[in-house]
Amino acid sequence: KNEVEQSPQNLTAQEGEFITINCSYSVGISALHWLQQHPGGGIVSLFMLSSGKKKHGRLIATINIQEKHSSLHITASHPRDSAVYICAGGGATNKLIFGTGTLLAVQP
Amino acid sequence: DTGVSQDPRHKITKRGQNVTFRCDPISEHNRLYWYRQTLGQGPEFLTYFQNEAQLEKSRLLSDRFSAERPKGSFSTLEIQRTEQGDSAMYLCASSRGEFGQPVNEQFFGPGTRLTVL
Repeated sequence: KNEVEQSPQNLTAQEGEFITINCSYSVGISALHWLQQHPGGGIVSLFMLSSGKKKHGRLIATINIQEKHSSLHITASHPRDSAVYICAGGGATNKLIFGTGTLLAVQP
Repeated sequence: DTGVSQDPRHKITKRGQNVTFRCDPISEHNRLYWYRQTLGQGPEFLTYFQNEAQLEKSRLLSDRFSAERPKGSFSTLEIQRTEQGDSAMYLCASSRGEFGQPVNEQFFGPGTRLTVL
């Protein structure tokens, strides 16, 4: 059983829609990372958070430590947001445990 | 130096051959990680260095795999006697961090895509 579970696995949205991707994680994870991966491309770190909420442009990440749950929101989605979004947990072991990713396609 | 670099970007080899990949982290980063990603899956942790010390190895890292970071800067990952199941994207990441401290933001390289025929 993976220690980081993501949903949905696939998501199709129309341009302009508000998008939410969810991530649940297990005990022992103290920091949650949101990453973006374009097809054939490398991975870019979007956020790292251990509490509260962070915002960067149209991207917002929240985390609820008690419920061990995090969400990534994209406001006013655009086709260039199409990518795989991955949540990953980090903790005392110093390594990242990755979810399987959410493939997002934003249609014009 | 603006990011993590990996070489080569692509490697095609025949089963049974040995391959070696190189990762150059961001210069001031003392932590270096190797991950493997197969198609349609999230990356999986392979191994991790704090400076030149290899502190953790995944059970995924069989005896055919070896990683080094001899001077605490660049790292190499060698796979001996490659098998078709080794075909994957091999990702390197680096971060700052002191021993025992929680994971910091990691910066990823572009990856080396290995195809074993």
